[in-house]
Amino acid sequence: EMQLLESGGGLVQPGGSLRLSCAASGFTFSSYAKTWVRQAPGKGLEWVSVISSNGDKTYYADSVKGRFTISRDNSKNTLYLQMNSLRAEDTAVYYCARALRSDYYYFVVWGQGTLVTVPS
Amino acid sequence: EIVLTQSPATLSLSPGERATLSCRASQSVRNFLAWFQQKPGQAPRLLIYDASNRATGIPARFSGSGSATDFTLTISSLEPEDFAIYYCQQIYSWPLTFGGGTKVEIK
Repeated sequence: EMQLLESGGGLVQPGGSLRLSCAASGFTFSSYAKTWVRQAPGKGLEWVSVISSNGDKTYYADSVKGRFTISRDNSKNTLYLQMNSLRAEDTAVYYCARALRSDYYYFVVWGQGTLVTVPS
Repeated sequence: EIVLTQSPATLSLSPGERATLSCRASQSVRNFLAWFQQKPGQAPRLLIYDASNRATGIPARFSGSGSATDFTLTISSLEPEDFAIYYCQQIYSWPLTFGGGTKVEIK
């Protein structure tokens, strides 16, 4: 069974840092692009970042550009999101997801999410 | 940035009825559009990609249509498990964007 499991969320003060992890199993991790999508409490979905299947391309939403960094460790089958200079508006459940095919950026396998809280 | 506008915001229907959800893009996304379903406390679930292709395991009562700027998700006959929030998403250009969602609720 294909699975993604996020971890690393929690309460962090404004200006602080946090690193989210997303552990994958049940598929060839290195073959697919991955993404982070977030959802503020009671709000809709917001795309955050993508890393290509071979890791050579990364893309970010303007709202996190320069503060967040996406990366992957194929040897550990793990995706990361390093979040710096956190703001209250970064409070959300963060989901990781896997692309439908290689670098075809429809995301079909999703984790259960991890909550990041940055108080105002 | 491509803005996706979904309508209506809320759709109140009974089981067995047909649901028609709209997603309009601020500029053409060709057919690079997906639909997701999300239930409370759950991750999104991919229903439709490339505007009209059902993802694996998605029932035939879900269908997608449209191209360029106007897209529709149709649920032919609502089942109790279909009451949820539905989002469209474009992958045509960066940044990837989602619509604001349509809530399908029980009338």
